Amino acid sequence: QVHLVQSGAEVRKPGASVNVSCEGSGYSFTTYSIHWVRRAPGQRLEWMGWINAGNGNTEYSPMFQHRVTISRDASANTIYMELRTLGLEDTAVYYCARSLGRAAADYWGQGTLVTVSS
Amino acid sequence: QSVLTQPDSVSGSPGQSITISCTGALRTIGTYNLVSWYQQQAGKAPKLMIYEVTKRPSGVSNRFSGSKSGSTASLTISGLQAEDEGDYYCCSFGGTTTPLLFGGGTRVTVL
Repeated sequence: QVHLVQSGAEVRKPGASVNVSCEGSGYSFTTYSIHWVRRAPGQRLEWMGWINAGNGNTEYSPMFQHRVTISRDASANTIYMELRTLGLEDTAVYYCARSLGRAAADYWGQGTLVTVSS
Repeated sequence: QSVLTQPDSVSGSPGQSITISCTGALRTIGTYNLVSWYQQQAGKAPKLMIYEVTKRPSGVSNRFSGSKSGSTASLTISGLQAEDEGDYYCCSFGGTTTPLLFGGGTRVTVL
């Protein structure tokens, strides 16, 4: 059974960075890409970027390109998302999700709440 | 910026059918047959209900169906049940720099 398990909730001050992890199990880790999607309070789901877990290639949304890094540790079946220079507007639940084809995500992590507060 | 527009809310009585629309701007729904739909219930992660416009993942009830006409995609829920309540998001391929472009979400209420 496919599972994506994310790291726990985080609290950060403005200007800081946060790193969220996503461990996959129950499937061939390097065969699928992983998306990162967030939902801020009252906002729509927002795609941040994705990584090919096999070769490590990444693509980022222009909205986040300059302050997000997605990486992988294939030996640990884990994907990481680092978001830098946090602002209050980055308070959101962050999800990792396994890619299905070009434009869908079939399995999602449980979500990680990141709170940015001074 | 390309956006997908959904109604804020749709409601129906148990057993009825409802349809949620999703209208896309330039180079989204009308250009690609890559529309997906997600259900999100309170405190839970999104769940894939439909992908590639009409395909249903294993385990999703056949009461859920998807379609597309021009720049508008639709999700129909037949035989509405209380467990169907939640927020529903459409999603379209928006190009290589935005493979997942989401709509604003529609709150489904079972009366």
